[in-house]
Formats: sequence, structure tokens, C-alpha cells
Amino acid sequence: QKEVEQNSGPLSVPEGAIASLNCTYSDRGSQSFFWYRQYSGKSPELIMSIYSNGDKEDGRFTAQLNKASQYVSLLIRDSQPSDSATYLCAPHHYNQGGKLIFGQGTELSVKP
Amino acid sequence: DAGVTQSPTHLIKTRGQHVTLRCSPISGHKSVSWYQQVLGQGPQFIFQYYEKEERGRGNFPDRFSARQFPNYSSELNVNALLLGDSALYLCASSWGGGEETQYFGPGTRLLVL
Repeated sequence: QKEVEQNSGPLSVPEGAIASLNCTYSDRGSQSFFWYRQYSGKSPELIMSIYSNGDKEDGRFTAQLNKASQYVSLLIRDSQPSDSATYLCAPHHYNQGGKLIFGQGTELSVKP
Repeated sequence: DAGVTQSPTHLIKTRGQHVTLRCSPISGHKSVSWYQQVLGQGPQFIFQYYEKEERGRGNFPDRFSARQFPNYSSELNVNALLLGDSALYLCASSWGGGEETQYFGPGTRLLVL
């Protein structure tokens, strides 16, 4: 079992639709979770962080966390072509030297 | 404020050579982490340093080493380069060595021929 698994892509949605990105993780010790966006050829850019069960909203982005199910998701409302990128889910394993464990990423394509 | 800076941006080496990559964290941040990202995969953790001490090490061979300087900048060294070391090397800066958010630099793209 991989430590972090994300829904396989590429995920294609029309402009204006909701994009749903999912992530499951194996380490129950994870306490904080991060979503990064990575454009092709660029470095990861922080989108959202979430630490408590429930929803956290920031503009068009909503992160959802369910620690009991070891599941975290990212919803992007009113998707724009500029949202086309790879989205990386990264739980933070504090007991392992504070490192981030990344999933393989989900490629999102928003079609005009 | 300046973000995380890395140098060089691109590098071409041949097998067996040695490489040194450099990173300067965001001002006020005391922790630097290094990640390797090969094409099509997520970043893989190599090292974390906090206050000049190694806080964590990923599953990488001893050819990989790093250090952090008194000004909190860091170097990643890779000896005896292999073709499989070709990757984007990312430096991430955070305030502390715990659960704080990590901010990534632009990366150094290494090609080993």
C-alpha cells in the first residue's frame, strides 16, 4: 500500500465546473495536510493547509479532511483554464523528522 | 520579502561526478528540507535540517549528504552521480522543524549523462 494515494488522472473538467481531487493516506499519525499546485516545469506552490476534521474554504478552494477515514480532498469551484496543473497531496509526518510525504499527483485539465 | 532561492537553476553532469546544490530559505525561517522529484512522480523527501542539525533523512543512499550553515542556508551534495539521479531537486523552507508549512524554491534541474 502506498503511503499517499491520489485519484489517477488526467482529470478533465469544463470551465466553470467543480473539480474534485481525492487523497488517501496510510499513516494515522499524520496531523497536518497540505495541497500544492504544480505547473509543468515549475516547483510546487501551496494552495491549502488543513489540520482539523471538516471543511476549510479559501476563495474557490475547499479542503476537506476526515482523519477517521484517512481521507483528504480538494474541491475547486468555478474551475478556470489557469487551474490546469498537477495537484499534489502531502500529509506531514511530524514523527518522521517533519517531512512531507507526497502522492503521485493528479493532473487537472480545465477545458474552455 | 524574497522567497526561497536555489542555485544553479540547471546543471548537466556526467556519471561519477559530484554536484553541490544551494538553497537560501525565506528570511526568518530556520528549517530547510530537500526533496527529489523525478518526472511524473511526487517529490521524495531527502533531508530536513533545523537550526543546523539534521532532523530527518529519507531513503536515499549515503552518496547524498547535506548541511546547514549558521545563516540557515543549505547545501545538498551528491557524490558518484548516477543516471537515475537526474531529477528536479527542490528546497523547501519553513519557520521551524515541525508541522509548519513548507514553501518551495524554484528548484534545480539536474541532468546526468
